[in-house]
Amino acid sequence: KNQVEQSPQSLIILEGKNCTLQCNYTVSPFSNLRWYKQDTGRGPVSLTIMTFSENTKSNGRYTATLDADTKQSSLHITASQLSDSASYICVVSAQSNDYKLSFGAGTTVTVRA
Amino acid sequence: EPEVTQTPSHQVTQMGQEVILRCVPISNHLYFYWYRQILGQKVEFLVSFYNNEISEKSEIFDDQFSVERPDGSNFTLKIRSTKLEDSAMYFCASSRIQVYEQYFGPGTRLTVT
Repeated sequence: KNQVEQSPQSLIILEGKNCTLQCNYTVSPFSNLRWYKQDTGRGPVSLTIMTFSENTKSNGRYTATLDADTKQSSLHITASQLSDSASYICVVSAQSNDYKLSFGAGTTVTVRA
Repeated sequence: EPEVTQTPSHQVTQMGQEVILRCVPISNHLYFYWYRQILGQKVEFLVSFYNNEISEKSEIFDDQFSVERPDGSNFTLKIRSTKLEDSAMYFCASSRIQVYEQYFGPGTRLTVT
């Protein structure tokens, strides 16, 4: 069964600090991995998409890494802002089934002033 | 910037009633999706739709669910006889091509009483 596990479940950081979120997956064969940001009560918004051949991708202060060999990804947030407070969700799709995305439970990030 | 819209934002219905959730995908997108998120849980894939037919569905998407693209702009999810456990946030998403960024709508919160 395809699974996506994220850690930590939640974290609190001070404004201006950096943080790194982790994602491990068992989806196989792998097609692509996405990181989404979801504000409370809103739909997810895409931050990055990476295929197996990519090992890093940035979107502003967000940098995602991918190690397809170990089936691990991370999302690094640099110089956090209060608006970064949200749930960050790792989403993986299998090569045979790109329509169907497997979602992680998300990491809830709270940025405090 | 084009966006996916969903109506209504909140729907309250009694158990056993039929509900129709509506979505207007981004106009040049070809792939459409429905997801649900039970409060406090991860987002779950329900169904994908392409070329006027279902391309993939999850085990959640049983005979009580149906999707339709009644015209060139709307994409609907119908639940024939709602159950208490159908209470969730339902997200519509669309993408221009397969294996591409999916844009999510703001969601419809369905409450079944």
